[in-house]
Amino acid sequence: GQNIDQPTEMTATEGAIVQINCTYQTSGFNGLFWYQQHAGEAPTFLSYNVLDGLEEKGRFSSFLSRSKGYSYLLLKELQMKDSASYLCAVRDRTGYSTLTFGKGTMLLVSP
Amino acid sequence: ETGVTQSPTHLIKTRGQQVTLRCSSQSGHNTVSWYQQALGQGPQFIFQYYREEENGRGNFPPRFSGLQFPNYSSELNVNALELDDSALYLCASSPGTSKVGELFFGEGSRLTVL
Repeated sequence: GQNIDQPTEMTATEGAIVQINCTYQTSGFNGLFWYQQHAGEAPTFLSYNVLDGLEEKGRFSSFLSRSKGYSYLLLKELQMKDSASYLCAVRDRTGYSTLTFGKGTMLLVSP
Repeated sequence: ETGVTQSPTHLIKTRGQQVTLRCSSQSGHNTVSWYQQALGQGPQFIFQYYREEENGRGNFPPRFSGLQFPNYSSELNVNALELDDSALYLCASSPGTSKVGELFFGEGSRLTVL
């Protein structure tokens, strides 16, 4: 089975940097995803890590350590529009699009 | 490029009824999966379809069933609705050729069971 943990809520101010952590325990591992979900909207894909290390994509970066079962999403130069839920999800080896999601971290960016 | 579209966007049913939710996958995507998202929770995998066959299922009872059609659109059917079935139902498609295999989600169908 899979177990994914991430903080429930975080707050930060505009222009700052925030790191959202995710720890996971899985019976198999075939990639870790981060999705952003604004209230009432569909989740949208942010990043993917399958090997250890940092993946950078503009203001967003994601890090993975498979030996520690740990990932983080780093958001730089925060903007008000970054207020959303951030979902960590793990794909195991059994299904191409079978993801196990965490409960999400609600990030509130204030002026 | 048309994204994933779902219908209806909102619906209300009563316990014991049946519901059908529909999804049109993104153009060129041959894999579709369905997720249930309860309020304040992350999406939970229901099942996946590839080339009209179910090829993966989460921990959901048989009263949750689905179909995928030759044009890759899909349906989710839920029989004998229970109060706990109230949730946002998300359809996601993915291209079979993607190295990453990221999912493209629709806006969802919000089901309320009274």
